Amino acid sequence: SYVLTQPPSVSVAPGQTASITCGGNNIGSKSVHWYQQRPGQAPVLVIYYDNDRPSGIPERFSGSNSGITATLTISRVEAGDEADYYCQVWDRSNDLVWVFGGGTKLTVL
Amino acid sequence: EVQLVESGGGLVQPGGSLRLSCAASSFTLSSYEMNWVRQAPGKGLEWVSHISDRGTIYYADSVKGRFTISRDNAKNSLYLQLNSLRAEDTAVYYCVRGITGSYFDQWGQGTLVTVST
Repeated sequence: SYVLTQPPSVSVAPGQTASITCGGNNIGSKSVHWYQQRPGQAPVLVIYYDNDRPSGIPERFSGSNSGITATLTISRVEAGDEADYYCQVWDRSNDLVWVFGGGTKLTVL
Repeated sequence: EVQLVESGGGLVQPGGSLRLSCAASSFTLSSYEMNWVRQAPGKGLEWVSHISDRGTIYYADSVKGRFTISRDNAKNSLYLQLNSLRAEDTAVYYCVRGITGSYFDQWGQGTLVTVST
């Protein structure tokens, strides 16, 4: 089965840029989606199809995807961005499955 | 405003059964792909099951043969029947709307299932 690998944690100071990676075999050939989950809340879609933003998501959130790594970038980080972030792909290699990365805890220092 | 409201969670003994429900509002559930995604306490997200707008169904290997997804178009509701429950099935179960073969755009608030003696 397809595996997505994320760093357990990333720390960044307010106003700086946070980069959260998501590694997978030839992930650049897949569409990657990202979710933000604040404590005690349901996940929220923040990036879809590698670098598209749903309405209401700030332009500070962006994504990229190439080779074996997809990246979620959060510019001018704010305290309210502190949350868990998950990458996700749809895998058709065997049975159809939707795969999540293990999640990255973003801490705003 | 699109809403997904789950219900039916609770405490159940190992080997027991439970039926989760998800009521959808402001959209027609049968026109979309619908999913269940779960999250064990302190852990990450795990996709559980999918039903397409045409009724095609998929399950994660971890629940295949034990869980059954279904929907009632007249009630605009989605269901998940959980049988032969194990301690490792303990999780918050989210009802999630999917966009064809890709991402999840709307999530419910979740319902907690606890499997324990």
